[in-house]
Amino acid sequence: DGGITQSPKYLFRKEGQNVTLSCEQNLNHDAMYWYRQDPGQGLRLIYYSQIVNDFQKGDIAEGYSVSREKKESFPLTVTSAQKNPTAFYLCATAPREYSYNEQFFGPGTRLTVL
Amino acid sequence: RKEVEQDPGPFNVPEGATVAFNCTYSNSASQSFFWYRQDCRKEPKLLMSVYSSGNEDGRFTAQLNRASQYISLLIRDSKLSDSATYLCVVNKSGKLIFGQGTTLQVKP
Repeated sequence: DGGITQSPKYLFRKEGQNVTLSCEQNLNHDAMYWYRQDPGQGLRLIYYSQIVNDFQKGDIAEGYSVSREKKESFPLTVTSAQKNPTAFYLCATAPREYSYNEQFFGPGTRLTVL
Repeated sequence: RKEVEQDPGPFNVPEGATVAFNCTYSNSASQSFFWYRQDCRKEPKLLMSVYSSGNEDGRFTAQLNRASQYISLLIRDSKLSDSATYLCVVNKSGKLIFGQGTTLQVKP
């Protein structure tokens, strides 16, 4: 069954704690992306990766970190330096970077920092 | 100014109505265009790509005007199940730029 999985679906953390969100895909897509969505707003790009062991900052990378050790996996760490971490986090993939094609989204992780 | 602008709505329409959403984008270098649909608390899903010649998929018609940097989505014969937020999306050098979305509520 091909697709993108994100876990957990809901995550609660105390202020000051780092937290890692999982994103796994078996679509054999090269490019992977992390977005953040706040209520009533469009998606904003946090980080993206075209190839294993390479990634670039998006528009709002401050307070976040990523790794791409395997093609299938692109975890996102929300650090304590992120001032407003409560949001809906979406992982997406595309067959390759710099493509005119659409992106495919995972089901998302809703993070709440208490 | 936002790179992709949409009227957030909400648009409240009766079943069977025709409704149109508009979107403007600021970067003339934008290369491809999409409408995504997002249900409440779910991920966005591709509704349709938008081509320069205009394109139709069942009750949905998308139009692109590159000169005016304007994209539209027309929904005919609205169904209750069309209630969602519609995101206008522009692809610029492989990066997707999202509008904030237009919310549609179809009432019985």
